[in-house]
Amino acid sequence: AQKVTQAQTEISVVEKEDVTLDCVYETRDTTYYLFWYKQPPSGELVFLIRRNSFDEQNEISGRYSWNFQKSTSSFNFTITASQVVDSAVYFCALSNTGGFKTIFGAGTRLFVKA
Amino acid sequence: GAVVSQHPSWVICKSGTSVKIECRSLDFQATTMFWYRQFPKQSLMLMATSNEGSKATYEQGVEKDKFLINHASLTLSTLTVTSAHPEDSSFYICKFGLAVQETQYFGPGTRLLVL
Repeated sequence: AQKVTQAQTEISVVEKEDVTLDCVYETRDTTYYLFWYKQPPSGELVFLIRRNSFDEQNEISGRYSWNFQKSTSSFNFTITASQVVDSAVYFCALSNTGGFKTIFGAGTRLFVKA
Repeated sequence: GAVVSQHPSWVICKSGTSVKIECRSLDFQATTMFWYRQFPKQSLMLMATSNEGSKATYEQGVEKDKFLINHASLTLSTLTVTSAHPEDSSFYICKFGLAVQETQYFGPGTRLLVL
């Protein structure tokens, strides 16, 4: 069975702080994809990153960075120098390569205070 | 610009009425469609998977007679909530099933409030 765990329900930081959102996944597939999405108050999901199971390179995109560690089944997301506009719910998700199904974690609600 | 549209974006209805939600892709086609439901402050839960031209497959606990899915074409899918009740109030999101290595296109969502 596939499962995504985001243990942090809510995180509150002050602007300019760095923050890491944790994601741990379970799957029996050898090939799979991991995603991070941002959901602002409007509700529309914003795609942030996709990583396949064979690519363990960390990735940096501006203030965002992702650390994928297959050995610990984790795909953590760090926001550097957080801003108020980063306030949102962030979802980690997992897809197999066959049926396109995407399983979401419970989400982490991030509050960034000015 | 948006590649997936959902209509309506907001709907308020009386208990017992039926509500139809449309999900349309604007510039691509897909044979598979997913419908998700998100209750306030909760995660997205997959409701059903549909393939164009065939019956939808529903996840455990989702009533197929209550949530009717019509996958009319490669660019259009509709979800009808029949005889809606207050507990059906939720945020409904569609997703076109492209290969996972492709960009994943979610609809912007439809907020349903049943009074």
